[in-house]
Amino acid sequence: GAGVSQSPRYKVAKRGQDVALRCDPISGHVSLFWYQQALGQGPEFLTYFQNEAQLDKSGLPSDRFFAERPEGSVSTLKIQRTQQEDSAVYLCASANLAGGPIYEQYFGPGTRLTVT
Amino acid sequence: DQQVKQNSPSLSVQEGRISILNCDYTNSMFDYFLWYKKYPAEGPTFLISISSIKDKNEDGRFTVFLNKSAKHLSLHIVPSQPGDSAVYFCAASNSNSGYALNFGKGTSLLVTP
Repeated sequence: GAGVSQSPRYKVAKRGQDVALRCDPISGHVSLFWYQQALGQGPEFLTYFQNEAQLDKSGLPSDRFFAERPEGSVSTLKIQRTQQEDSAVYLCASANLAGGPIYEQYFGPGTRLTVT
Repeated sequence: DQQVKQNSPSLSVQEGRISILNCDYTNSMFDYFLWYKKYPAEGPTFLISISSIKDKNEDGRFTVFLNKSAKHLSLHIVPSQPGDSAVYFCAASNSNSGYALNFGKGTSLLVTP
């Protein structure tokens, strides 16, 4: 079956612009995660949804970051007034609560955001 | 602060030999550990996991060992194949504080023919 997909794959934004990154999880996966991976680092947790409910947003670095999943499937990560330090790969992952441990998360290819 | 550490940024192994990738953690509350493999321009791919109630889990050529007293885990790949060349991330989670994975910085494995 189809895996996690993300779009766009690459995004270049000028400092101060708003961006929106999309994630399509694996069909039927109720859990969805966003991670940020800076160059040379491992992914860092941003936020977690179970269906449409955002249960954990403790990793969002500032109030410029906002995520939503209004119908419990597709999710959007929005970054307002982008800054150069926001340049990173943004990874989306989904997990099936019923099919195995929630920790076994399946990742999309990521969106590489470059802020100039 | 980095709660999961992979102290070897890179490792080179000959084809057919054993690859051993190491990972240390500082949070004694972690109770689930995973290894992910990542190719360039792709997302991490789940490889193998282990619960803190076990000390070993094996899946084909891949075995993960957990030493809780030392807060150390390792991934063994036997025999190593050129297609195993990738970046390997160790990750850990605490089931009592949500489902976020805490990742190390990764180890780049190169398997040479």
